[in-house]
Amino acid sequence: GQQVMQIPQYQHVQEGEDFTTYCNSSTTLSNIQWYKQRPGGHPVFLIQLVKSGEVKKQKRLTFQFGEAKKNSSLHITATQTTDVGTYFCAGLKDTGNQFYFGTGTSLTVIP
Amino acid sequence: ETGVTQSPTHLIKTRGQQVTLRCSSQSGHNTVSWYQQALGQGPQFIFQYYREEENGRGNFPPRFSGLQFPNYSSELNVNALELDDSALYLCASSYRGGNQPQHFGDGTRLSIL
Repeated sequence: GQQVMQIPQYQHVQEGEDFTTYCNSSTTLSNIQWYKQRPGGHPVFLIQLVKSGEVKKQKRLTFQFGEAKKNSSLHITATQTTDVGTYFCAGLKDTGNQFYFGTGTSLTVIP
Repeated sequence: ETGVTQSPTHLIKTRGQQVTLRCSSQSGHNTVSWYQQALGQGPQFIFQYYREEENGRGNFPPRFSGLQFPNYSSELNVNALELDDSALYLCASSYRGGNQPQHFGDGTRLSIL
């Protein structure tokens, strides 16, 4: 069954509004990566989180890893049209080397 | 620095046929992972190769097989193609280890008729 779930599946926002996508795993993860995939493109690595409770920022993007290392979130402040795309989390379990990609959140930004 | 390249970009096959997809890893990367991405879904892990050996496998049948060559490039072979195999096949290269970013190629769009 699906190992990593993301919500929401779709999000439409007005340009300038904030956006958040949530990632939840059924099992503890050793680390989590976030990727962005533009329409017709391939996933592009954004960031990796390893420590429990870790928070990282990249300009308008804030990434968090939950204390239990089972969930994560990506928050974008003041969205821009260049933020359009599908955001995926990918979790690595404590054992093995298989990354489990989430179902993705498709972001549309309305100018 | 050369990125990940995949070939071909598009391919059309019929049920029962066999297909080989190719991937050249980013320079300096010794690990290649293959993913299947159906329309509107997240990438699903097929398998990973490190030092020419399979280093982990997802929930895919044996008719999905692969190879890695000494220069770290890789092939994905799929036998007895089924309609459900229609998808984008992505190759990602990285340094060994789960704490490394994966660099994806543009993928091969496979359509089964």
